[in-house]
Amino acid sequence: QKEVEQNSGPLSVPEGAIASLNCTYSDRVSQSFFWYRQYSGKSPELIMSIYSNGDKEDGRFTAQLNKASQYVSLLIRDSQPSDSATYLCAILQNTGFQKLVFGTGTRLLVSP
Amino acid sequence: DTGVSQDPRHKITKRGQNVTFRCDPISEHNRLYWYRQTLGQGPEFLTYFQNEAQLEKSRLLSDRFSAERPKGSFSTLEIQRTEQGDSAMYLCASSLAPEGEQFFGPGTRLTVL
Repeated sequence: QKEVEQNSGPLSVPEGAIASLNCTYSDRVSQSFFWYRQYSGKSPELIMSIYSNGDKEDGRFTAQLNKASQYVSLLIRDSQPSDSATYLCAILQNTGFQKLVFGTGTRLLVSP
Repeated sequence: DTGVSQDPRHKITKRGQNVTFRCDPISEHNRLYWYRQTLGQGPEFLTYFQNEAQLEKSRLLSDRFSAERPKGSFSTLEIQRTEQGDSAMYLCASSLAPEGEQFFGPGTRLTVL
């Protein structure tokens, strides 16, 4: 079982719709969770962090965390073509030091 | 406020050559990380510095790889006797706090011919 699992996609949504990206993780000890956006050929850009159960909203983005189910998701409201990118889910693995463990990413395509 | 910078952005080398990459973290960030990313995969952890001390190395970091962070400022990652399998994007990230968010630089894309 991979430590962080994501559907590779592509997830296709029309402009203006809600895009829902999902991630499951296996490490029950992890307390910190992140979503990064990565455009083709570029480096990951941090868009959301979440540390406690529930929802966290920032503009058009909402991160949701359920530690009991080991599940974290990202909702993008009013999706725009510029949101088309790969979204990487990452957990902070605390094994004496802190390193990020990433999923393989979900590719999102927003069509005009 | 400048972000993480990396140099060079692209490097093409022949198999067997040595290469060195540089990373300048966000000022005042005492934690610095190196990751490697290949096509279709998420970044994979390579090594971690807290100030000038290298505290952790991944098993991915063979003895051909060495990293330094003199004086706890910039860091270098050297690959000796490069192999075609070393071709990847090498990413540097920095953070301020143990549980803190990590911010990535633009990366160095290495191609080994």
